[in-house]
Amino acid sequence: DAKTTQPTSMDCAEGRAANLPCNHSTISGNEYVYWYRQIHSQGPQYIIHGLKNNETNEMASLIITEDRKSSTLILPHATLRDTAVYYCIVNDSSYKLIFGSGTRLLVRP
Amino acid sequence: NAGVMQNPRHLVRRRGQEARLRCSPMKGHSHVYWYRQLPEEGLKFMVYLQKENIIDESGMPKERFSAEFPKEGPSILRIQQVVRGDSAAYFCASSPLQGANSGNTIYFGEGSWLTVV
Repeated sequence: DAKTTQPTSMDCAEGRAANLPCNHSTISGNEYVYWYRQIHSQGPQYIIHGLKNNETNEMASLIITEDRKSSTLILPHATLRDTAVYYCIVNDSSYKLIFGSGTRLLVRP
Repeated sequence: NAGVMQNPRHLVRRRGQEARLRCSPMKGHSHVYWYRQLPEEGLKFMVYLQKENIIDESGMPKERFSAEFPKEGPSILRIQQVVRGDSAAYFCASSPLQGANSGNTIYFGEGSWLTVV
């Protein structure tokens, strides 16, 4: 079973930042937090991952709290094409990714 | 640099036929994962393979399903005697080293959509 809790759905306005929260209160010290998204009828797309420090790449930023029990994915300037299901995954110390239900993000024009 | 390539993208099979789904991992990747996504459901892990070895098949149905990743060529997910309940999207993923427990990135293909009629 997934070890994360995410809101079922969220929405934001186009051009604004989308902040997607994730709780992972049982995370272990060596477990990574991964974010993927799935646009309808496409394969999961890797966004970002981190262990302890905040991370940023061309797609998004990942903010991990100091106690590592929660994190936030930030899409700085959401576009309509960012409408998707976003999955926060903690890898439970195994090599495979276990997907939960994710957050359905709707970006409004 | 080509991503994970899956084919066919769409496959229609009659009940009782066989379905073969192929996956070519990203260049330099020797670890392959297969996932299944039933309509309106989440992604479920099926099997994890390295070249010539099945490492974890805990998510594979006990009958009719098999997977291989030969020394040469793509990984194959084979479904024998398909039934309507096998209709789903099948996603392949690959990583350069053993997956997510070491912070490695796992990349997914665009999927193969199987329809059983």
